[in-house]
This record gives sequence, structure tokens and C-alpha cells, in this order.
Amino acid sequence: SQKIEQNSEALNIQEGKTATLTCNYTNYSPAYLQWYRQDPGRGPVFLLLIRENEKEKRKERLKVTFDTTLKQSLFHITASQPADSATYLCALLNTGGFKTIFGAGTRLFVKA
Amino acid sequence: GAGVSQSPSNKVTEKGKDVELRCDPISGHTALYWYRQSLGQGLEFLIYFQGNSAPDKSGLPSDRFSAERTGGSVSTLTIQRTQQEDSAVYLCASSLRQGTSGSSYEQYFGPGTRLTVT
Repeated sequence: SQKIEQNSEALNIQEGKTATLTCNYTNYSPAYLQWYRQDPGRGPVFLLLIRENEKEKRKERLKVTFDTTLKQSLFHITASQPADSATYLCALLNTGGFKTIFGAGTRLFVKA
Repeated sequence: GAGVSQSPSNKVTEKGKDVELRCDPISGHTALYWYRQSLGQGLEFLIYFQGNSAPDKSGLPSDRFSAERTGGSVSTLTIQRTQQEDSAVYLCASSLRQGTSGSSYEQYFGPGTRLTVT
């Protein structure tokens, strides 16, 4: 069955460092991969989308890579800030962009 | 502009009762999704509506769950004969879903309805 794995353990980093979160998937060939941010008690907020034929996408301090051979995406936050502390969710979409499968998310704590 | 709204924000119900959860998507968004999120878990896909097409119900966990979308806008998720394992946050999202621009696949989420079955 389709499976998405994100680090279940929280990631603790120091302010100013680069945070790197991992998303691995199996039994799936997504056309698109998205990253969302979720704060406690709130719905997820869209951050970035990357297509299967793209290797890398950047937006301000965010960078996403997508390796369809390894079936892995890496999500980087450079110059991290305490305000970046949240849970980050990886999501896969099929060709039609319809049904979306979400990972369980990785909790990030940025310490001042 | 207004985002996705959901009501009620919290619902406590007794086991065996029926509940209805409402979602008002962003105006003009053709796609609407329902998800369920249990404590500390990821989002579990429930159902997807796209325009006038038949909905994708493949994520509904049992026949006690149903959803409808009237007039291509407001959606209602109904859970019949609620069970304690139905307790979770139910999230609704909408997206533009027009064209092939990546932005059309962005999902905008509501704040969710926290359902507690006692």
C-alpha cells in the first residue's frame, strides 16, 4: 500500500541554523509533492509545490528537493527562526492532482 | 477575503448519535476535500469533490460516513451512529483546481471541527 514516512521524532535546532526535514514514500509515483506547515489547533498552510520533473524549488528561506529515483523529498529552512517552530507535513498528489496523501508530519523546534 | 470556514468548531456527542459537520469553501474554488486528523497523526483523506463530477469517496472509513456538496459550494459531512473511534479533528480544504498551474493545487484549510464522542 502507499506509504509516506516523515521523521516521527521532533527536530530541535538552534536559531540561525538550517533545518532539514525528510519525506520518503513507497508504492507511489506522485506527479506533485507539496509541503505544508501546521501550527497547534490550526489547519495546515500551503508552503511549496514541486512537480515530478523538477529537482529543486525555492521560495525565500525555503528549499525543496524531489528525487523520484530515491522516492524522497528534502525540505530545508535556512537561517531558521523561533517563529518557524511548527509541524511540517509532506503531501503527495497523483497525476490528476485529486486525491492527496499526507504524511504524519515532523515537529520542528527552533531554539533562540 | 474570506477563507474556508467550518462549523461547529467543537462538537461533543454521545455514542450512537448522528452528527453533521459543515464546510464553506472559498468562493470560486471548484475542489473540496474532507480529512480526518487524530491526535498526533497525519491527515487521513476522506472524500474529494470536483465540480459536477462524481466525488471520490475512497477514503470514507465506513458506510456510517457520507458527504454531500450542494450547488458546488457548501459541503456537509455526516457521521451516523457515532463511535468513540470517530473522535478526531475533521478538516475541510478547498482548492482552485483550474488549469495546470501549480497554484491551482494549493489546498486552503479551514480551522477544523473537533469531534468528541463520549
